[in-house]
Amino acid sequence: DTGVSQDPRHKITKRGQNVTFRCDPISEHNRLYWYRQTLGQGPEFLTYFQNEAQLEKSRLLSDRFSAERPKGSFSTLEIQRTEQGDSAMYLCASSSNRDTAYEQYFGPGTRLTVT
Amino acid sequence: GEDVEQSLFLSVREGDSSVINCTYTDSSSTYLYWYKQEPGAGLQLLTYIFSNMDMKQDQRLTVLLNKKDKHLSLRIADTQTGDSAIYFCAESNDMRFGAGTRLTVKP
Repeated sequence: DTGVSQDPRHKITKRGQNVTFRCDPISEHNRLYWYRQTLGQGPEFLTYFQNEAQLEKSRLLSDRFSAERPKGSFSTLEIQRTEQGDSAMYLCASSSNRDTAYEQYFGPGTRLTVT
Repeated sequence: GEDVEQSLFLSVREGDSSVINCTYTDSSSTYLYWYKQEPGAGLQLLTYIFSNMDMKQDQRLTVLLNKKDKHLSLRIADTQTGDSAIYFCAESNDMRFGAGTRLTVKP
């Protein structure tokens, strides 16, 4: 397995447009996480799934953000009516509850620029 | 609220030891992690420690945990230029990350 992949790697969009990002986790990892990272900061937790169930959402996740993991494999994160403050790196990670410490493996991220 | 704090910068000479410090406030976290992020790359898990341990050693890496003071440190022995990166500590309860410590290794 080649690890967690994310698509696209970069996205430039105009304010008010909708964007969707995709994450493919490591196969057989049942947990999938979304984070947002801005310059000079650590990742901020947004939401996570166990299989297809979305178990936790951060208060950071406004109603313009929605995430899905319909078949318990890949996940999508959609941002509606983007704002300039949404510009950030969006990171996806996956983990397995078979691992002792639920270690998370991160993808390379999708860099979003809202103009 | 709960928080994870790190100093922002550390500079060392090649061959010296580096010590990166982290403090956290959520005492209920079961695991504490150290991640490394190189420019343009995703986060790479370096090591983790279970909250009932004091120390964990993994090759050049030593993690020390003082649960009473809620202080975590990562020591890198014989630091190399390839260790230059941003290092993040994180706690498992809310997956809260520190802001990262930028380690610069000078030849």
